[in-house]
Amino acid sequence: EAEVAQSPRYKITEKSQAVAFWCDPISGHATLYWYRQILGQGPELLVQFQDESVVDDSQLPKDRFSAERLKGVDSTLKIQPAELGDSAMYLCASSLRGMYNSPLHFGNGTRLTVT
Amino acid sequence: TQLLEQSPQFLSIQEGENLTVYCNSSSVFSSLQWYRQEPGEGPVLLVTVVTGGEVKKLKRLTFQFGDARKDSSLHITAAQPGDTGLYLCAGARNQGGKLIFGQGTELSVKP
Repeated sequence: EAEVAQSPRYKITEKSQAVAFWCDPISGHATLYWYRQILGQGPELLVQFQDESVVDDSQLPKDRFSAERLKGVDSTLKIQPAELGDSAMYLCASSLRGMYNSPLHFGNGTRLTVT
Repeated sequence: TQLLEQSPQFLSIQEGENLTVYCNSSSVFSSLQWYRQEPGEGPVLLVTVVTGGEVKKLKRLTFQFGDARKDSSLHITAAQPGDTGLYLCAGARNQGGKLIFGQGTELSVKP
């Protein structure tokens, strides 16, 4: 079964440094999501793309976070500068359509630790 | 304020016991999904419910969507150690609306 690919799997960085995460969704999935998950809690949506366009980035801290999906396929999420409170799991997900009952397929995430 | 409240937050039981996890809200949802997440992995979809009062079964798991589409429950019969994980409910308030996750229920089933 096709999977959502994410890299790196783990990232340790010092505060004030820049970090970037990459996601390759399932082929043909038009909708791509970036979620942040603090240990033991539910994922929180950061940004949603429909093809190459941002549909929802209302919870993205835009002073330090940026996301792009230039060709409507893979996507990059960047944090600059990283802060201690950014330590979390960053999950990418994709769905065939951004419809309310369309299942999300998640990658295994990038575990970020900011020291 | 959490839009979707899950209870209990933590549950530790012995193999063979039954359990129910609840997902409640004051808002109406167009659909509700249940996911299971194992440590170090992404959530995996278990089921989607869209109709008020709907009941779906997946082997030993029974999912119910409330009549008013404001709440849902997950019942596991004869739990096994392989059921251990974080159970997440997620709802969409309208078509094309973003999926909002509850805070999860951490289930541990001991042999």
